[in-house]
Amino acid sequence: DAKTTQPPSMDCAEGRAANLPCNHSTISGNEYVYWYRQIHSQGPQYIIHGLKNNETNEMASLIITEDRKSSTLILPHATLRDTAVYYCIVRAGGTSYGKLTFGQGTILTVHP
Amino acid sequence: DVKVTQSSRYLVKRTGEKVFLECVQDMDHENMFWYRQDPGLGLRLIYFSYDVKMKEKGDIPEGYSVSREKKERFSLILESASTNQTSMYLCATTGDRSGYTFGSGTRLTVV
Repeated sequence: DAKTTQPPSMDCAEGRAANLPCNHSTISGNEYVYWYRQIHSQGPQYIIHGLKNNETNEMASLIITEDRKSSTLILPHATLRDTAVYYCIVRAGGTSYGKLTFGQGTILTVHP
Repeated sequence: DVKVTQSSRYLVKRTGEKVFLECVQDMDHENMFWYRQDPGLGLRLIYFSYDVKMKEKGDIPEGYSVSREKKERFSLILESASTNQTSMYLCATTGDRSGYTFGSGTRLTVV
């Protein structure tokens, strides 16, 4: 699986959009981009994933560049409960099983 | 929603004990995984299973074994617990391209 690079930490004001970047310059054609987050002392939580088109769900939006070498997770109106570690992961699709390799992620702190 | 239930949130065991960590999922997913998470090391895959009675070693299987007798249940076994197995243990399940669903984790302390 391709390696990802994320900033170690970011801050965001409550109510503002949080934009979390991820570089995955070695991504291959069959690899999806996944985002997870982990709130302290809990298991990671799936947020969103995509292949090449932008995606949106009730939690967030995922913007993938045209060359697929980077992506941005957008939390449109961050709340204090969004404070967590956010992980960007690439994983091959179409496999019957797929190991996830978690990097160090980005610690997002949402301030009042 | 898929739910993944781990039997215990916190466990304290003695060195040398045999420890069972249980994980049950309520969706019909074939794939189940055991990870451990340690500060500064991220999540590391211990074992995974893609079918009943099937198991595959992950990156750090030493000192562990697993059991998958039923599709919904995946057990992690520490044959003889040691202090370096003190960690947060996370069970997860996934369909083919779907996202992983993790359990809440079991924080194991071996004394």
